[in-house]
This record gives sequence, structure tokens and C-alpha cells, in this order.
Amino acid sequence: GENVEQHPSTLSVQEGDSAVIKCTYSDSASNYFPWYKQELGKRPQLIIDIRSNVGEKKDQRIAVTLNKTAKHFSLHITETQPEDSAVYFCAASIRNGGFKTIFGAGTRLFVKA
Amino acid sequence: KAGVTQTPRYLIKTRGQQVTLSCSPISGHRSVSWYQQTPGQGLQFLFEYFSETQRNKGNFPGRFSGRQFSNSRSEMNVSTLELGDSALYLCASSLDQNSGANVLTFGAGSRLTVL
Repeated sequence: GENVEQHPSTLSVQEGDSAVIKCTYSDSASNYFPWYKQELGKRPQLIIDIRSNVGEKKDQRIAVTLNKTAKHFSLHITETQPEDSAVYFCAASIRNGGFKTIFGAGTRLFVKA
Repeated sequence: KAGVTQTPRYLIKTRGQQVTLSCSPISGHRSVSWYQQTPGQGLQFLFEYFSETQRNKGNFPGRFSGRQFSNSRSEMNVSTLELGDSALYLCASSLDQNSGANVLTFGAGSRLTVL
């Protein structure tokens, strides 16, 4: 079945450093790859997404890259700030008459001031 | 514009009981998906509904079921509750655009505790 693997499960960085989270998906029919941020006690919220016909997308300090051949996609956060501390989820979405979005297990990011 | 609303927010049940959770999507969103969130397991896909039809289903036992009404509101039901069903149940709605981007907007969730 469909599967999304996410690494690392925990990431600790110093404020101002960069953070990278990597994901791998199994279903080659996946065509949409969103990233969600979930702060403690809150609901997941979309922070950036990328579609299968695009290799890279950037939004201020956040960027995503997609390698369809290798079925890899990554989230890059530059100049990290304490408010970036949260759990980040990658996901792969398949359109098969309906929608099925499969999430990775999450990465808990700690940004130390 | 109101967001995705889930009720109840918190509930406690005992083993063997059943529970029904409700989700009202954003106005105009016709696709509703349900997820189970447990520590360390991320968000596990339960099912997706559109126009009162289940279009996709995850790998959960038949004790987990759902439905969608003509106004796009959705309910999920868990029967014969087990301790392992304790989790945060999240509902998400989306527009289902032909663009292929299934942008999910989540509700705050229903936290179920099974004793």
C-alpha cells in the first residue's frame, strides 16, 4: 500500500541554523506533496506544498524540493527561529477518483535560542 | 468564513462502547477526510467522503465507519471501543479542485479516551 517515510523523527538546531527534513513516498501516482506544521495542542496547518510537475518551490525562509525519479522530497528551513519549534509532517496525495493523502510520522523540531 | 468544526472536542468512553464524532466542513468544501492521530504514529488515514460517497478508505478494521450527509457534514463511528482507539481524531475538508491539489484544512479534532 501507500507509504510515506519521514526522517529524522527528532531534530534539534541552534537558532539561526538551517533544518532539513526528508521524506520518501512509495506510490508513483502521487502528484501533490504538502507540508504541515503542528504546534503543541493545535491543529496541523499547511505551510508549503509542491506539485509533481515542479522541482523546487520557495516561500521566504521555507523551501521544498521534489525528486520524482527517486520519490524523495525535502523541506528546508533557513535562519530558524524559536517559533519554528513544532512537529512537521510531510504528505503525499494521490488522486484516484477521490483523494487519498498519506502522511509521514512527523519530525519534532526544537530550535534552541 | 467559519473553519472546520468538530464536535465533541473531548470525550471519555469505556471499552465495548461506541462513539460518534461529527465534522462540519468549510462552506463550499465537499470533500471530507478523517485521520487518527496518536503519538509516534503521525496521522493515519481513515476515509474520504465526497457527495455522500466514500471514495477512499484506509487500513482500519470494520469497527470504524463513516458517512456524509447532503450538506457535506460528516460523521464517523467507532463501535466496540478498544483501549488502542484512544487518540485524537482529526477531520479535514477540501475543495476537490480539478487542479489535483488536495489542500486539506483541519478541524481542531476530537480527543477520545477509552478506559
